[in-house]
Amino acid sequence: GNSVTQMEGPVTLSEEAFLTINCTYTATGYPSLFWYVQYPGEGLQLLLKATKADDKGSNKGFEATYRKETTSFHLEKGSVQVSDSAVYFCALTGGTSYGKLTFGQGTILTVHP
Amino acid sequence: GAGVSQSPSNKVTEKGKDVELRCDPISGHTALYWYRQRLGQGLEFLIYFQGNSAPDKSGLPSDRFSAERTGESVSTLTIQRTQQEDSAVYLCASSLNSGGRYEQYFGPGTRLTVT
Repeated sequence: GNSVTQMEGPVTLSEEAFLTINCTYTATGYPSLFWYVQYPGEGLQLLLKATKADDKGSNKGFEATYRKETTSFHLEKGSVQVSDSAVYFCALTGGTSYGKLTFGQGTILTVHP
Repeated sequence: GAGVSQSPSNKVTEKGKDVELRCDPISGHTALYWYRQRLGQGLEFLIYFQGNSAPDKSGLPSDRFSAERTGESVSTLTIQRTQQEDSAVYLCASSLNSGGRYEQYFGPGTRLTVT
């Protein structure tokens, strides 16, 4: 079946540091890949997406590239801010563009001033 | 426009009681999904509606769980004879599922506590 594996957290960084959160997946066919973010006390929000190999999703300074050869979708940001502190979830829909999302376990990010 | 809304935001119930959780999707979104998030665990898929039909119910954990959707709008998730392991945040999401727009938008969730 489909599965998503994220790097274990928590991740603690200083402001302006470089961020990478690793995500790898197992899926049949050609899944769409997503990063969702959950800020403290808020609901789950779509951060970025990529629907085919070599696509790069980007939003709010975050980027992730769909790498089919390594089955990865790592999240990166060049300079994090305190306001980026949140839980980040990697997810995929398997095989088709719609249907259930399969989520990773989530990675807690804390950014200190 | 308005996002996905869910009610109640919090529900405390005694073991053995039935509960109903409600989801109002974004207007015009034909697809609706239910997930749950138990403490310390990831999000688990429960059920998917396309219109008023449910082509994928594979995530419902037992026959105590059921869901329905009427008028391609509101959905209700019902848990009968609640157990302590049902304690979780129940999340609803909706998506347009047309024109290349398949991303899911989530509601704030209902936190269910079974005592």
